[in-house]
Amino acid sequence: EAQVTQNPRYLITVTGKKLTVTCSQNMNHEYMSWYRQDPGLGLRQIYYSMNVEVTDKGDVPEGYKVSRKEKRNFPLILESPSPNQTSLYFCASSLGVLETGELFFGEGSRLTVL
Amino acid sequence: LAKTTQPISMDSYEGQEVNITCSHNNIATNDYITWYQQFPSQGPRFIIQGYKTKVTNEVASLFIPADRKSSTLSLPRVSLSDTAVYYCLVGDGGGFKTIFGAGTRLFVKA
Repeated sequence: EAQVTQNPRYLITVTGKKLTVTCSQNMNHEYMSWYRQDPGLGLRQIYYSMNVEVTDKGDVPEGYKVSRKEKRNFPLILESPSPNQTSLYFCASSLGVLETGELFFGEGSRLTVL
Repeated sequence: LAKTTQPISMDSYEGQEVNITCSHNNIATNDYITWYQQFPSQGPRFIIQGYKTKVTNEVASLFIPADRKSSTLSLPRVSLSDTAVYYCLVGDGGGFKTIFGAGTRLFVKA
């Protein structure tokens, strides 16, 4: 089954404790992206990657890191989480031609930073 | 990058046609317009995509005027299960940045 898989789905952590949210897709997609969703703000892009070893900042990259060492995986790293990073996070992928393609989203990871 | 503006919410009744309009005044020549549907606690799901004029698939139609500064998603004969948030997305032709607006919350009543 074609899918985007995120882990963990739910996480409660404390300020400053490094964490990684993993994202994996099995569709051989070139493009992957991370979003955060907060009430009233819709989805905001954090980072995206057009291919292996190619990443770029979205609209809200501060406090996050990403890596794309292999095509299927695109982990989101919070080196020192803060309470304002409490949010619902979505990973997505597409073939790579975004203008004529669709984004496939994971089920989301709800993160709470105390 | 083209910013989108949509109504915050809309109400409808089962069986009615619903039209949701999105404004994107700064749309670039290479940009496509894509609509997504999102249910609570789920990731958004692709509905339809278009560049100009009209596009129709099995679930919706998308109307785009000649100037492309707006687009309208049309949902025919909505049902209770169409209650969701609908996002209009305009693609950045050069760099794969994606900008979702705040979305339109559609509530379908019986």
